[in-house]
Amino acid sequence: AQSVTQLDSHVSVSEGTPVLLRCNYSSSYSPSLFWYVQHPNKGLQLLLKYTSAATLVKGINGFEAEFKKSETSFHLTKPSAHMSDAAEYFCVVSDQPGGSYIPTFGRGTSLIVHP
Amino acid sequence: DGGITQSPKYLFRKEGQNVTLSCEQNLNHDAMYWYRQDPGQGLRLIYYSQIVNDFQKGDIAEGYSVSREKKESFPLTVTSAQKNPTAFYLCASSLGLAGGNEQFFGPGTRLTVL
Repeated sequence: AQSVTQLDSHVSVSEGTPVLLRCNYSSSYSPSLFWYVQHPNKGLQLLLKYTSAATLVKGINGFEAEFKKSETSFHLTKPSAHMSDAAEYFCVVSDQPGGSYIPTFGRGTSLIVHP
Repeated sequence: DGGITQSPKYLFRKEGQNVTLSCEQNLNHDAMYWYRQDPGQGLRLIYYSQIVNDFQKGDIAEGYSVSREKKESFPLTVTSAQKNPTAFYLCASSLGLAGGNEQFFGPGTRLTVL
């Protein structure tokens, strides 16, 4: 069975400082991993995804994530936070034998950016 | 423009009423999903559909029903059997249920029970 744990419910940073949102996953197979962003009262938008290619994945808006199989982690980073990055972020794992991949969402991390 | 639309944006329901939330996509995607979002709980899967005229229960299907008569449409009915329906509901679609397929989300419907 697959599962995903977002280690922080809230992360607070100052504008211009680095961002680190942590995600650990559990999977019995070769998973696909995703990060989505959600601004208040909006739908989710894909930031980036990992699907067994390069372990360092670059996404939109300067975000990137590194797949570390030995640590079962897929942490999201950004070198310099911007006020517009304030939002809810979801880590998602997807695997299933037989080809039917049903995504499992983490509980989300709220990113707060201070001026 | 391609995308997913949900309507209405806000919906109010009285106790004992059934209500139907609309979800339409013009992305030609085979798979569609309904999620419920409550504060601090992430997204929980209600139903999903891989193909027209077929759908499967997710983790919290009790009190909900769906249909998939057309590829582009996947309406969700919240029945009176759902005891705590106040939540934010999100519809999504993807090319199919295969690894690596990202989901595209609609803007959501906020349902409030009066």
